[in-house]
Order: sequence, then C-alpha cells, then structure tokens
Amino acid sequence: DGGITQSPKYLFRKEGQNVTLSCEQNLNHDAMYWYRQDPGQGLRLIYYSQIVNDFQKGDIAEGYSVSREKKESFPLTVTSAQKNPTAFYLCASSTRQSNTEAFFGQGTRLTVV
Amino acid sequence: SQQGEEDPQALSIQEGENATMNCSYKTSINNLQWYRQNSGRGLVHLILIRSNEREKHSGRLRVTLDTSKKSSSLLITASRAADTASYFCATQHNAGNMLTFGGGTRLMVKP
Repeated sequence: DGGITQSPKYLFRKEGQNVTLSCEQNLNHDAMYWYRQDPGQGLRLIYYSQIVNDFQKGDIAEGYSVSREKKESFPLTVTSAQKNPTAFYLCASSTRQSNTEAFFGQGTRLTVV
Repeated sequence: SQQGEEDPQALSIQEGENATMNCSYKTSINNLQWYRQNSGRGLVHLILIRSNEREKHSGRLRVTLDTSKKSSSLLITASRAADTASYFCATQHNAGNMLTFGGGTRLMVKP
C-alpha cells in the first residue's frame, strides 16, 4: 500500500536528550514536511524539503534539525535546544506541482519526562 | 505564523443537522484546502478549491471561497456522528507547496 509512515507512535524523552522521529513515504513525492501540533491548536511548519539534499526552515525551526539524504525519508531530530518539545509531530508529503494536496502520517506524540 | 483563523473554535450539533465552519486568511493564495483530523491521528484531505473557483462540492461537503473577503466556508450537510472530528483550513501560496493552517474547528455530532 502506498502511504506515509511515522515511527514511533509514542516517544518519551528525558531532558537534555536528542531524539529522532522517523518519516518514510513510498508515494514517490519530492516534497516532505514536518509540522508541530500543540493541544487544541493548528499545525505549525518546522522544516520542509522540496528535493533530496535540500531543506528549508519553516516558522518554528529553532531546536530542530532534519536531513533529506533519500527521497523516501525525512527524519526530524528534536535537540536539547528545543525547550518545550512536548507536542504531536506530523509528517506530510506532496508532489511539487501546484494545487496539490498533502498526505499525512499518523503522527508521533513526544513527551518529555 | 498562522495564516488562517477559524470560526467557531468548537461546534456541537445533533445528527442530521448541517454544520458550517468558516476560515479567514491574510494574504493572497493559490488555493485553500480543508482537512479533517480524528483525535490523535493524522490529517486527511477533504477538498481543495483554487483561487479562481467560488464553490466546490464533494458528497455532503460544500466549500465556498470569497477571495475579496479572504474567507472560505465548509458546509457539511446531514451530519452523522462519524463526522465528529477537528476540521482545519489550510492555504497554499505561490511560493512553494507549503500549507499554512488555521487553528481548526472541533465538531461534535451527537447521535
């Protein structure tokens, strides 16, 4: 089945630790995105990538890092510099054509313990 | 920055009633999209309306777009308990395909 897969579903992080969230897609999409969602809120863009080996900061990139070494994969690292990382993280992908929809993964819920 | 504002933030209706959600945005767009999110899950695309379109239908969904007022509405007719979810509008602009989301409307449909 074609789709976008995020793992793990739940992740716990101790203060001061870096953690990496996985996002894989087999839709052959060029563009991939990471969003953060806080309780009862909308989605805010962290990073996006329009093509392999290239990525751009979104609105709230501080404390996060990404890589795009393969078309299928766009992992997000939440670093210790992110002071309030507890949130729901959503990965999405799309084609690079205009007027196109995004496909979302099922999300990773990150909690700092 | 969030582009859109949605109204109302929460809506509770009886099964069979219609639900209307509104979205306003700030800058010019290529298109506006509506997504649905069940609690704790990812978003699912519902409908896309281009900036040169005024109305679009998909099943029980009707979306309107007024670019002069920078606003859109989503109407769900004959609602069902299974429509209970959060609904988000998102705008797409000329520079890239990134989506900018509103804060969402939480819809509860009571059986």
